[in-house]
Amino acid sequence: AQSVAQPEDQVNVAEGNPLTVKCTYSVSGNPYLFWYVQYPNRGLQFLLKYITGDNLVKGSYGFEAEFNKSQTSFHLKKPSALVSDSALYFCAVGNFNKFYFGSGTKLNVKP
Amino acid sequence: DAGVIQSPRHEVTEMGQEVTLRCKPISGHDYLFWYRQTMMRGLELLIYFNNNVPIDDSGMPEDRFSAKMPNASFSTLKIQPSEPRDSAVYFCASTLSGFRSSPLHFGNGTRLTVT
Repeated sequence: AQSVAQPEDQVNVAEGNPLTVKCTYSVSGNPYLFWYVQYPNRGLQFLLKYITGDNLVKGSYGFEAEFNKSQTSFHLKKPSALVSDSALYFCAVGNFNKFYFGSGTKLNVKP
Repeated sequence: DAGVIQSPRHEVTEMGQEVTLRCKPISGHDYLFWYRQTMMRGLELLIYFNNNVPIDDSGMPEDRFSAKMPNASFSTLKIQPSEPRDSAVYFCASTLSGFRSSPLHFGNGTRLTVT
């Protein structure tokens, strides 16, 4: 079965500290991997994607993600969190004719 | 680029009434998706279109739900009759061909409340 897992419902981090939001996937073939962010009362916004090539992908707002094929993971990272990064983050996998979204992780960055 | 435009932003209706949600995709995009978001079930794909043709409607919950795309710049999602369990935020998204590698562009959603 195709699936995307975000094992943490919520991640709390202090401003200035590094953050990681975890994502693992189980899909057949070579997946395309994405991260999206959702602010309150807004639609999802694209952050970054991995198609092929370097395992470390850089995206918007200083975010990056590391693709690990052996662990089937695509964790989102940022070296120094900002309060304004507080939002809901979704991992997604594109395969064949569908996207599969994770359940979302709420990131709380405290001053 | 105005982005994906959805209307209305909020809709409150009584059980049994017909509800129509509207979406205008980004010009030039040839894929359009309808998603539903709830706390319990997260993001669910309801249906998607390619070049105005429905490709996969397996996520449509039941016959009360229907979606159309009469042209490249407009789509509707209709619920008739509506039920309280349909209360959710409904998102429309569009993208270009090769959508597996192209990001989705989401509208700001329609928050539907059925009382």
